[in-house]
Amino acid sequence: EPEVTQTPSHQVTQMGQEVILRCVPISNHLYFYWYRQILGQKVEFLVSFYNNEISEKSEIFDDQFSVERPDGSNFTLKIRSTKLEDSAMYFCASKQGEQFFGPGTRLTVL
Amino acid sequence: GEDVEQSLFLSVREGDSSVINCTYTDSSSTYLYWYKQEPGAGLQLLTYIFSNMDMKQDQRLTVLLNKKDKHLSLRIADTQTGDSAIYFCADDNNKLIFGAGTRLAVHP
Repeated sequence: EPEVTQTPSHQVTQMGQEVILRCVPISNHLYFYWYRQILGQKVEFLVSFYNNEISEKSEIFDDQFSVERPDGSNFTLKIRSTKLEDSAMYFCASKQGEQFFGPGTRLTVL
Repeated sequence: GEDVEQSLFLSVREGDSSVINCTYTDSSSTYLYWYKQEPGAGLQLLTYIFSNMDMKQDQRLTVLLNKKDKHLSLRIADTQTGDSAIYFCADDNNKLIFGAGTRLAVHP
């Protein structure tokens, strides 16, 4: 069964460093998303991406964040200068009808 | 803005039915979802319902949608200890808006 994959499963970084979280969406899906879940809190929408551009972004998705689809399969989330409060689980999702989520990347900023 | 609300905690006895409730505000939803999350794990899509349906049954799971009242429920029949998890309701209008999650505890 096709699935969304994410790497790495866990990323530890120092405050101020750049991180890139990677996702491989399901191959025939056209809509891609990033969400995050701070420990113990609800899942929050960050950004949606369609036709090689951002279709919607939340207030959380400020200038420190960017997304890219560098080739036909990967979808990345870059955080330019990480802050302590960026520590969270980051989920990628893709959709053709219903949304399917990847297993998440746990980002820890020290 | 759009909002999704759920009760935070539900405790049931093994073998009983569980009913988890959710209300939402967005009237443009296309799909409504139920996801399951076990400790430290990702989001498992349990089931979903199109916004033009009233009910969907999938093995032990029954989803009821009252579009007029913007109320969604998930019934789990014959609840097992393996069903213990957090259950998130989410509404889809191009992006998902999640509720805070209902922690289901199943006891013998």
